[in-house]
Amino acid sequence: GAVVSQHPSWVICKSGTSVKIECRSLDFQATTMFWYRQFPKQSLMLMATSNEGSKATYEQGVEKDKFLINHASLTLSTLTVTSAHPEDSSFYICSANTAGETYEQYFGPGTRLTVT
Amino acid sequence: QKEVEQDPGPLSVPEGAIVSLNCTYSNSAFQYFMWYRQYSRKGPELLMYTYSSGNKEDGRFTAQVDKSSKYISLFIRDSQPSDSATYLCAMERGAQKLVFGQGTRLTINP
Repeated sequence: GAVVSQHPSWVICKSGTSVKIECRSLDFQATTMFWYRQFPKQSLMLMATSNEGSKATYEQGVEKDKFLINHASLTLSTLTVTSAHPEDSSFYICSANTAGETYEQYFGPGTRLTVT
Repeated sequence: QKEVEQDPGPLSVPEGAIVSLNCTYSNSAFQYFMWYRQYSRKGPELLMYTYSSGNKEDGRFTAQVDKSSKYISLFIRDSQPSDSATYLCAMERGAQKLVFGQGTRLTINP
C-alpha cells in the first residue's frame, strides 16, 4: 500500500520559534496533500489543502501566516508553524491523495509538537 | 451542531463480542463515508469506505450507511484484542476534504 512519512515524529520547541514539519509520499506521487491537527481525545480537524505548485487553501479560522505550507514537489509538502506558542501544541497529521478518489487518501504517522 | 457526531466512548467489550460503532451527520450532501482505525500516536488507517447508502462487508467488518436517517455504522464480528484502537468515522465534504467524527475508543478484553 501507499506510504506517507512525516518528519520529525515529535518535536519540542520554545515559544516564539518556528518549526518545520515534512510530509512525504514515499512510493507514489501525491497530487494533493492535506494537513490536519488533532488535540488529545479529539478528532482530526482539517487545516489546509496543499496542491503541488500552487498556494495552499486554508480552512476557515486557520491563520495562513502562522501555518505556512509549501508543496514543492509531488512527493513533499511542508508545514511551518511560525512564532509557535503553547496553544499550538498538538498532533499534526498529513495525508496524501493518489488518483483523486476520496478513499485513496493515505495518512502519515503524525508529528507531536510541544511548545514550551 | 457538529457536522458529524460520534460517541467518544470509551467502549469496552470481551473478546469475541460483536461491536457496533455509530455516527450521525447533518449534511445530506455527504456521499462518501469512511471508517478509519487509529492506534495511539499514529495516523489513521482506512478500514472501509462506502459510497451512498447500503452495506459493505470486508472480512469481520461491515459498514452500513442509511442516508435517510443520516446514520452510519461499523460492525466488528469476532472482535480481537488487536482491534483495540480508536475508530473514526469520516465523510467527504467535497474536493476530497474529510470531516471526522470525534472517534470512539474501543478496548477488547481477552
